[in-house]
Amino acid sequence: EAGVAQSPRYKIIEKRQSVAFWCNPISGHATLYWYQQILGQGPKLLIQFQNNGVVDDSQLPKDRFSAERLKGVDSTLKIQPAKLEDSAVYLCASSQTSGTYNEQFFGPGTRLTVL
Amino acid sequence: DQQVKQNSPSLSVQEGRISILNCDYTNSMFDYFLWYKKYPAEGPTFLISISSIKDKNEDGRFTVFLNKSAKHLSLHIVPSQPGDSAVYFCAAPSLRGTSYGKLTFGQGTILTVHP
Repeated sequence: EAGVAQSPRYKIIEKRQSVAFWCNPISGHATLYWYQQILGQGPKLLIQFQNNGVVDDSQLPKDRFSAERLKGVDSTLKIQPAKLEDSAVYLCASSQTSGTYNEQFFGPGTRLTVL
Repeated sequence: DQQVKQNSPSLSVQEGRISILNCDYTNSMFDYFLWYKKYPAEGPTFLISISSIKDKNEDGRFTVFLNKSAKHLSLHIVPSQPGDSAVYFCAAPSLRGTSYGKLTFGQGTILTVHP
């Protein structure tokens, strides 16, 4: 079974530039998560999708971050314009959906450096 | 508000000895806990979990203990091996409401096992 795929793996940009990250979840997983992990901290949820609908984006800085999951499969996360404090690893995770808790599988992440 | 806390940023142990990683939580609504392991340049991978109806769960060399009254859990690795060197995250999923499955992570503990 293929895991969660993310690209690019690394990205370096200057502040005020735009950047986009892509995630392909495990086939059949209806729930998709984007987490931000700043160095020295644990991952923090940015947005959660159930199929192609958003169920939680309370921690997403909506003035600069946006995300979509068209057709309920792949997802993209965009930052426009980037700030220095956006330097972090962006992790995508997916899980099956049922009445009980299902394990989240994480991709390798995209390391973003904003100069 | 840090609802899940890992107060030890790092831990160093000798191969063959016991590693004990600690985690505290403040949210009484949490009733399921997980430990994730993360190697550099990889996403977190699930290691072991425990439900609040138990006080101990064991899987091979890994045992998690839960003390609900103290809102504390710990991960024991016996015997520790050099391949266990990684960052360990304690996490708790939201099991209520629309954010079902959302993980709240601790800050992580870097474990180094010396040969």
